[in-house]
Amino acid sequence: DQQVKQNSPSLSVQEGRISILNCDYTNSMFDYFLWYKKYPAEGPTFLISISSIKDKNEDGRFTVFLNKSAKHLSLHIVPSQPGDSAVYFCALRDDKIIFGKGTRLHILP
Amino acid sequence: NAGVTQTPKFQVLKTGQSMTLQCAQDMNHEYMSWYRQDPGMGLRLIHYSVGAGITDQGEVPNGYNVSRSTTEDFPLRLLSAAPSQTSVYFCASSPRGGETEAFFGQGTRLTVV
Repeated sequence: DQQVKQNSPSLSVQEGRISILNCDYTNSMFDYFLWYKKYPAEGPTFLISISSIKDKNEDGRFTVFLNKSAKHLSLHIVPSQPGDSAVYFCALRDDKIIFGKGTRLHILP
Repeated sequence: NAGVTQTPKFQVLKTGQSMTLQCAQDMNHEYMSWYRQDPGMGLRLIHYSVGAGITDQGEVPNGYNVSRSTTEDFPLRLLSAAPSQTSVYFCASSPRGGETEAFFGQGTRLTVV
């Protein structure tokens, strides 16, 4: 069973607008939630994280929101830039890190 | 700044052959792990380790073995390669637990024919 669900395989957003990527999880035992970004032919790189005791964490253009009752987190990117075009993975962490299937974000000029 | 180093970058195997994918990190991280990435499947955890001498299975462990004799190294062994193991493999390391980020290697593209 999938513990981390990213139900949108792809998303297209106009440059300068807000990109919202969503993630749902099934196991409430995870304490930490992370977002990673991946370009083709490269390893994933860390973007932003949030612990289960918070509901929002912000870092520059990137904000992660956590709704524990709904078991849902989202990543907001504003304003979206061409370099943001990549695959974004949601991940959950306890003693291991479990990833979702990813969402491919296309930033349109 | 080596970080996480994976070797080889590319490999072609014949069905039934064995090989070891190497992973080394120089950050003294306790946690190390192996993932495979397949189209439409995301990053799936194969095996992980929270310290030298400790390993555990992830989501898709069948067909793979690991060991962790040192903090720095975490090799992944394919005992008898199958075409279903054609994938891109990533190794990652991090401090153990918490809101700490994991650092990934550049990946090994493996093709089993």
